[in-house]
Amino acid sequence: KQEVTQIPAALSVPEGENLVLNCSFTDSAIYNLQWFRQDPGKGLTSLLLIQSSQREQTSGRLNASLDKSSGRSTLYIAASQPGDSATYLCAGFYTGTASKLTFGTGTRLQVTL
Amino acid sequence: KAGVTQTPRYLIKTRGQQVTLSCSPISGHRSVSWYQQTPGQGLQFLFEYFSETQRNKGNFPGRFSGRQFSNSRSEMNVSTLELGDSALYLCASSLRGHKNGELFFGEGSRLTVL
Repeated sequence: KQEVTQIPAALSVPEGENLVLNCSFTDSAIYNLQWFRQDPGKGLTSLLLIQSSQREQTSGRLNASLDKSSGRSTLYIAASQPGDSATYLCAGFYTGTASKLTFGTGTRLQVTL
Repeated sequence: KAGVTQTPRYLIKTRGQQVTLSCSPISGHRSVSWYQQTPGQGLQFLFEYFSETQRNKGNFPGRFSGRQFSNSRSEMNVSTLELGDSALYLCASSLRGHKNGELFFGEGSRLTVL
């Protein structure tokens, strides 16, 4: 069964701190992995998409890595800001007879002043 | 460039009724996928349409159905509503689909079943 796990479920850090969010998946046959953020009551905003042939992607203060052999992806946020407060979700796409996107349960991040 | 538009944003129904939700993708995107988000189950994939054809389907009962029109707009329908269908329904559009493309989500339709 394809499962995606995110730990911790919630995280609070002071402004300016660098932080890492973790995403673990059970099936190394993952095709790609995406990171999203979701603000309360809103839809999801795509942050980074890592294809299976890639190991990392960067956008501004964000860097995401993918290690298929260990079943892990990490999202690194540099110099965190209060505006980064949101729930962060990772999602893995699996091919095969049941091709679908499987989401993790998310990490709720709060960046305090 | 307009984003993904979902209507209605909020709706209340009673058990046994049916509901139709609409999703207009970003112009030029041919893939539309639907998701259900609940506090207990998180985000779960319902189905994906690409150029009017259903490409993938999640593990939901037949009461959940969808379709896509020639202009790429998509609708999903839930018949014989149950209390457990209360959720935020999100749709996402993509230029190349789940497998290769970045997903762009709408704001969602929040369904409450009484």
